[in-house]
Formats: sequence, structure tokens, C-alpha cells
Amino acid sequence: EAEVAQSPRYKITEKSQAVAFWCDPISGHATLYWYRQILGQGPELLVQFQDESVVDDSQLPKDRFSAERLKGVDSTLKIQPAELGDSAMYLCASSLLPYTDTQYFGPGTRLTVL
Amino acid sequence: AQSVTQLDSQVPVFEEAPVELRCNYSSSVSVYLFWYVQYPNQGLQLLLKYLSGSTLVKGINGFEAEFNKSQTSFHLRKPSVHISDTAEYFCAVSQGGGAQKLVFGQGTRLTINP
Repeated sequence: EAEVAQSPRYKITEKSQAVAFWCDPISGHATLYWYRQILGQGPELLVQFQDESVVDDSQLPKDRFSAERLKGVDSTLKIQPAELGDSAMYLCASSLLPYTDTQYFGPGTRLTVL
Repeated sequence: AQSVTQLDSQVPVFEEAPVELRCNYSSSVSVYLFWYVQYPNQGLQLLLKYLSGSTLVKGINGFEAEFNKSQTSFHLRKPSVHISDTAEYFCAVSQGGGAQKLVFGQGTRLTINP
């Protein structure tokens, strides 16, 4: 069964350092999502791509976060510089169509900022 | 803005007992509703979704949910739980009729005791 791949699974960094997360969606899925899940809370959408275009990044802290999906396939989420409050699980999901279609989630990257 | 309230942060039940996980949403317009499950150290997986039609929705692993528009609720139920149902359950809502992102509740941790 096809799955969403994410790497790394765990990342520990010091504040002010740069970190990057990678996501490979299920083949053929045009829509890709990055979520942040703080411990004890539900996922919150950071950015949504349709193919290579950003369709929603309203909750992305653009002063330090960036996301790209250059060829409309895999995607990278970057944080520079990392802050203590960025410690969370970062989840990637993909779907064939946006909004009502089933989203398939990867295992996530757990980020700890010291 | 839409919001989702999961009324119980933790629900302990005994194996083979019935369970109900409660979810209320705030929206004055049509909505799409989802339940996702997150097993330990895994990504989220769709249990079921309501887009339109019958208000009783059946999902995987014996779960079902009922959409109640007058009470703005979408409670999840299972008549007999198993140890393997131990997980975090998330209710999510998307506003219907347009391009609206998923908004997740804070989650309910279901613990099954033998």
C-alpha cells in the first residue's frame, strides 16, 4: 500500500539553528499539506500546495518558515532560525483532490528545539 | 471561523464495552465532517467522513458516527471496543461549498482496559 514518506523521523536542534523536513507524497496526489501538531492538540494547517502552487499559507509564520514543492511532487519545509516554541510534530499529508478528499498522513517528524 | 470541540480529552473503557467520543462544531453553514485516528508513533488515518446524504456514516474497524445538524454534533461510536482501538481520535470539520481547510479538534485519547 502506498504511503506518505517523511524524513527525518526525529530532529533535535538548538535554537537559532536551521532545520529542514522532507515529504514525499503518494504518487499522483496533487494536493500536499504540512501540519504542525503541538503536544496535546490537534494538527494545524501550515501550508497547502496544489501541484507546485501554494493555495493556503495563512498560518505559516513567514518570517522564519518556508515551504516549497518545486516540481509538484516532493516538498521541503524549512525553519530558520528555530525557536523553542517550534518544538512539535510536523505532519505531511497528501490527497488526490483538495478539501473533501481523504488525506493520507505520513508518520511525522518530531522536532525538539533546545 | 470554524471551530471543533471534542468534549472529552480522555476516555477510559473496558474491553468489549461500547464507547462514544463526542464532537461538536461551530458553523452556520453546511459542513463536511471527518474522524481521524492516530495510533502510537503513526500518522493519522481516516476512520470515516460525512459529506452529504445519510446522517449515519459507517467507517472502518466497526466505527460509525451520526451527523446531527440541529445539535451541531458528529459523535463517534463503537458497540464493542478492543485493545487495538487504543489511540488518539480527532474530529475535523471543513466548511462546505468552497475551498476551506480542515480544522481539527484537540483530540480524545481512548484507552481500553482489559
